[in-house]
Amino acid sequence: GDSVTQMEGPVTLSEEAFLTINCTYTATGYPSLFWYVQYPGEGLQLLLKATKADDKGSNKGFEATYRKETTSFHLEKGSVQVSDSAVYFCALSDGSSASKIIFGSGTRLSIRP
Amino acid sequence: NAGVTQTPKFQVLKTGQSMTLQCAQDMNHNSMYWYRQDPGMGLRLIYYSASEGTTDKGEVPNGYNVSRLNKREFSLRLESAAPSQTSVYFCASSEGGTSGGGQETQYFGPGTRLLVL
Repeated sequence: GDSVTQMEGPVTLSEEAFLTINCTYTATGYPSLFWYVQYPGEGLQLLLKATKADDKGSNKGFEATYRKETTSFHLEKGSVQVSDSAVYFCALSDGSSASKIIFGSGTRLSIRP
Repeated sequence: NAGVTQTPKFQVLKTGQSMTLQCAQDMNHNSMYWYRQDPGMGLRLIYYSASEGTTDKGEVPNGYNVSRLNKREFSLRLESAAPSQTSVYFCASSEGGTSGGGQETQYFGPGTRLLVL
């Protein structure tokens, strides 16, 4: 079945460092891909998404490009801030009408001042 | 506009007790979902409701039941709680309906932390 694999954390970086969180997927069809973020004590919220190959999703300085040839959707940010500390989830949707989402296991990111 | 709300925020149960987790959304969404979040395992879908009047099993439905009370509300019931059900439970909703599909965003509530002793 469909699945999502993302790099294990925790990831600790200094403020203004470059961030990459790797995500690869397995899917039989043409899924949509998402990054969700969970700040401490809160529910998940959508960070960005891409619905077809070569699409780039972007939000709040974060970017991810849907790479069908490598089945990847890596999250990047050029200069992280302390406020980016959170857990990041890569996810895919199988395209069914119910829009069920399959989540990766999450990557905890901590940013040092 | 409160989005997705969940009650209670935190609950402690003894093994064998029952309880219902409540979820409501005010975005007029058709589809609603219940997930559990466990360390290192991401979120796993328990049940979902594609539209009012329908419910379907997700990845881990055993030990749970759901009710789509109306378009706004979707409750999750544990009939006889077990320690393995200790988790954080999230409700979510999405627009759904015939215009739905794989591009939809799901909107999450703040979660219910459940401890079963």
